[in-house]
Amino acid sequence: DAGVTQSPTHLIKTRGQQVTLRCSPKSGHDTVSWYQQALGQGPQFIFQYYEEEERQRGNFPDRFSGHQFPNYSSELNVNALLLGDSALYLCASSLRRDRGVSTDTQYFGPGTRLTVL
Amino acid sequence: GESVGLHLPTLSVQEGDNSIINCAYSNSASDYFIWYKQESGKGPQFIIDIRSNMDKRQGQRVTVLLNKTVKHLSLQIAATQPGDSAVYFCAENKVNNDMRFGAGTRLTVKP
Repeated sequence: DAGVTQSPTHLIKTRGQQVTLRCSPKSGHDTVSWYQQALGQGPQFIFQYYEEEERQRGNFPDRFSGHQFPNYSSELNVNALLLGDSALYLCASSLRRDRGVSTDTQYFGPGTRLTVL
Repeated sequence: GESVGLHLPTLSVQEGDNSIINCAYSNSASDYFIWYKQESGKGPQFIIDIRSNMDKRQGQRVTVLLNKTVKHLSLQIAATQPGDSAVYFCAENKVNNDMRFGAGTRLTVKP
């Protein structure tokens, strides 16, 4: 049973560029959440996707956008990269329950380390 | 504002001793609380969770205690091993809302 997978593992970009990160959820999960983790800090919630729609969003600008595909996999896109976007980007998957009201425990992938120069 | 935070940024224990990692939260509307372990270069790994209607939950070598009166959460690790060395995060999850993490506590186990 495959866990959450993310690609690529590492990425180096320059300021102003755009980046796309990918995530495949754990088998049986239908909800994907994205987090940004700066060095030495806890993960910060970016947004969550369920049924191919953004359901919840944290305090991140519109430069951060995402998508969920029919097979539940997801992409995170960041436009106009800033130096401060350098971080570990984590994807977590879970299963919606109670007719979509709440989510079960989130399981994390290994993350994508993004460096913006 | 509402937040989830940890009392101590670092904790050092002797191998074989018990470890206690503490967490304070300020939002009493949380649905449940989760403890994650993160090793260097890896994503957070689920350890144990507890619903807001519970006070205690036990797993394998781990126990989570929830004190809603003082809004305090703790993770107890019995017979700490070198493999337990990592950063531990508490997180709160609210129904239909995002999950909020604390800053983390680094646990170091001395042989």
